[in-house]
Amino acid sequence: DGGITQSPKYLFRKEGQNVTLSCEQNLNHDAMYWYRQDPGQGLRLIYYSQIVNDFQKGDIAEGYSVSREKKESFPLTVTSAQKNPTAFYLCASSFARKQPQHFGDGTRLSIL
Amino acid sequence: SQQGEEDPQALSIQEGENATMNCSYKTSINNLQWYRQNSGRGLVHLILIRSNEREKHSGRLRVTLDTSKKSSSLLITASRAADTASYFCGPQGGSEKLVFGKGTKLTVNP
Repeated sequence: DGGITQSPKYLFRKEGQNVTLSCEQNLNHDAMYWYRQDPGQGLRLIYYSQIVNDFQKGDIAEGYSVSREKKESFPLTVTSAQKNPTAFYLCASSFARKQPQHFGDGTRLSIL
Repeated sequence: SQQGEEDPQALSIQEGENATMNCSYKTSINNLQWYRQNSGRGLVHLILIRSNEREKHSGRLRVTLDTSKKSSSLLITASRAADTASYFCGPQGGSEKLVFGKGTKLTVNP
């Protein structure tokens, strides 16, 4: 079955540590996105990529980094510079920017 | 970038009733998308309506779009407990990113 897979489901970060969230899709989508969701809030765009080896900052990119070396994969690194990383992180993909997005089931990141 | 604002923030109804939620936005759009999010899960795409369309149906869902008022509505008919979720709209302009509002939290009581 085609879909988008995020791992791990739960992740804990220690002070000063970088952590990487995985996002893999087998939908043959060109565009991929990372969102952050805080309790009771909407989604805020962190980074997006329209094509391999290219990505753009979203609204809240500070403290995060991404790579897009393969079409299927768009990992997100939460760096130690992100001072408030506790949130629910959602990855999505679409054929193109104006097409419906397909979402993974998220990674919940907490601070130890 | 464009952002939708959903209204009401929360809605509680009985099973079998209809649920209506609204979305307002500020600038011109190419399309507007509605999504559902079950608790602790990712978003699921429901309907995309283009700027030249006024109404669209999908099963028990009906979406309307009024570009003159910069607003859209999502109607869920004959609601079920399984419809309990948060619903988000995403207006999308020319080359703009899809930006979601805080959503409408719908509770359908059995």
